[in-house]
This record gives sequence, structure tokens and C-alpha cells, in this order.
Amino acid sequence: AQSVTQLDSHVSVSEGTPVLLRCNYSSSYSPSLFWYVQHPNKGLQLLLKYTSAATLVKGINGFEAEFKKSETSFHLTKPSAHMSDAAEYFCVVMPYSSASKIIFGSGTRLSIRP
Amino acid sequence: DADVTQTPRNRITKTGKRIMLECSQTKGHDRMYWYRQDPGLGLRLIYYSFDVKDINKGEISDGYSVSRQAQAKFSLSLESAIPNQTALYFCATSARGSSYNEQFFGPGTRLTVL
Repeated sequence: AQSVTQLDSHVSVSEGTPVLLRCNYSSSYSPSLFWYVQHPNKGLQLLLKYTSAATLVKGINGFEAEFKKSETSFHLTKPSAHMSDAAEYFCVVMPYSSASKIIFGSGTRLSIRP
Repeated sequence: DADVTQTPRNRITKTGKRIMLECSQTKGHDRMYWYRQDPGLGLRLIYYSFDVKDINKGEISDGYSVSRQAQAKFSLSLESAIPNQTALYFCATSARGSSYNEQFFGPGTRLTVL
């Protein structure tokens, strides 16, 4: 069975400090993993995706994520937070075999303090 | 994403009414999806379609139906709306083939059932 757990429903950091949004997954097969961002009143935008080519994945706006199979994790990081990063972030797992099994995490709301 | 449009953007209706949400895309993708988003639950898949003649139920299809009128159009209907269908609805598209292909989301339709 596939599942995805975002360990924090809300994360608050100061502008200029590092961001860490945690995601753990469970999948019977080698999955595809994605991070999406949703700004207020907007649709979802892809930040980055893991496709088995490299375990460290770089995305847009300075975000990156590392796939750790031994820990079944795919945490999202950014070295220095910017006010524009305030949004909701979703970790998504899609098993290799079927798009019908796509599973979204419950989301992490990121707040940035001035 | 301007390539995926949803109409209406907001709708307030009453219990028992029939509602149709429409989705159009200019990305040329074969695959289209309907999701609903509820606070704290992430996105859940309602229906998906891999081409014009292919319709599949997702995780939460009860109370919903869909129509794939053309490659570019995928509509979601609530035959008799009920209050617990109040949610934010997203349409998404993806290219055929690899499960690594990310999904592209529309801006969402906020539906309120009174």
C-alpha cells in the first residue's frame, strides 16, 4: 500500500533562515516523488520531482529535496527563506505502475517571519 | 496555470441542485484528472481519464460523474449537490507515457453547497 506523511502541518521560519519541510512515504514499488507548492488562491505548481536519476533533486526558486530510500524520506529544503515562499507545500507519491494511485500528503503551511 | 482553465471559479448553490464544473486545456495532454481539496486532507482524486474513451473512478467518486467531451475538455458533475461536497475542486492534466510526468493544475473552483 502507498502512503505519504507530511510530518508538520505548519512550519514557521524567519526570513533568511533555512527551510525544512519533512515528508515520509511508503510504496511497494519504486515511486515517483514530487513536491508541489500552492500559493493563496492559486493552483498547484510543481517545485521538483524525483525520477530515480539522482537522489538530490534541484527545483525552482532555490528548493531542493533528497531522496533517501533507507529512510523512506523526501524532505524539502531551502538554504534561505524568502517572504515569497509563504505558501502550502504538498508532497506527492506516484507508484511507477499507475497514475490512479497518486497520493497527496496533507500539506505543510510555511509561514515566513520578517 | 493559464494552459488549464476552470469555470466557474466560484459557485454557491443549494442542496439538491445539479452542478457542472468545466475544465479545458491547451497543453495537448491526453490525461486529465479531477481532485477535491479539503483543509488538512490534501487533494483526493475523484475521476481520471487517460483519453477520450477512457474514464476511471478515483478514490472518492461517489456522488460525482464526469464527461470527456474532447481531448481538451473534461467536466465534473454533481447530480444532486450536498453540503459535504463543499470544497475546492482542481482539474489537472498530464502527458501520456511515463509516470514521471508531472501534473499541471488549473486555478481551482471553489464550490459551496448550502
